Amino acid sequence: EAQVTQNPRYLITVTGKKLTVTCSQNMNHEYMSWYRQDPGLGLRQIYYSMNVEVTDKGDVPEGYKVSRKEKRNFPLILESPSPNQTSLYFCASSLGLEETQYFGPGTRLLVL
Amino acid sequence: EDQVTQSPEALRLQEGESSSLNCSYTVSGLRGLFWYRQDPGKGPEFLFTLYSAGEEKEKERLKATLTKKESFLHITAPKPEDSATYLCAVRPYGGSQGNLIFGKGTKLSVKP
Repeated sequence: EAQVTQNPRYLITVTGKKLTVTCSQNMNHEYMSWYRQDPGLGLRQIYYSMNVEVTDKGDVPEGYKVSRKEKRNFPLILESPSPNQTSLYFCASSLGLEETQYFGPGTRLLVL
Repeated sequence: EDQVTQSPEALRLQEGESSSLNCSYTVSGLRGLFWYRQDPGKGPEFLFTLYSAGEEKEKERLKATLTKKESFLHITAPKPEDSATYLCAVRPYGGSQGNLIFGKGTKLSVKP
């Protein structure tokens, strides 16, 4: 089944404790992206990647890092999480820049 | 500044009562407009992509249309299972490549 998977689905952590949210797709998509969704603010793009080893900032990149060492994986790294990073995070992928983006199931993060 | 505004924020319909959701956008140039459906706690599910004014697409009870300034999602004879939040997103020319700019969504409730 073609899909985008994220792990973990739910995470509670404390301020400053580094964490990684994994994202993987099995559709051989070149383009991958991370979004956060907050009440009243909608979905906002954090980072995106056009292909392996090619990443760039979205609208809200502060406090996040990404890497793209393999085509199928695009992890989101929070080196020193803060409470304002409490949010619902979505990974998405598409065949190319112009194509439709397909979203993962989401990761709900709470930073205490 | 590129912007997407959806209205209404919330819409309550009786089963069978047709209506339309609006997505107004302001972008320097439009590469594509996307409609997604999002159920609570889940990732957005792709519905339609529209690329040029005058374009229309249909899927079951849903029909999406596009003009130079806005898009409509028409829902004909809705059923309770159509209840969800409907998201509109645009991909503009310029800016961060691949970036999708989302509206805040319209929460649709269909009562039996």
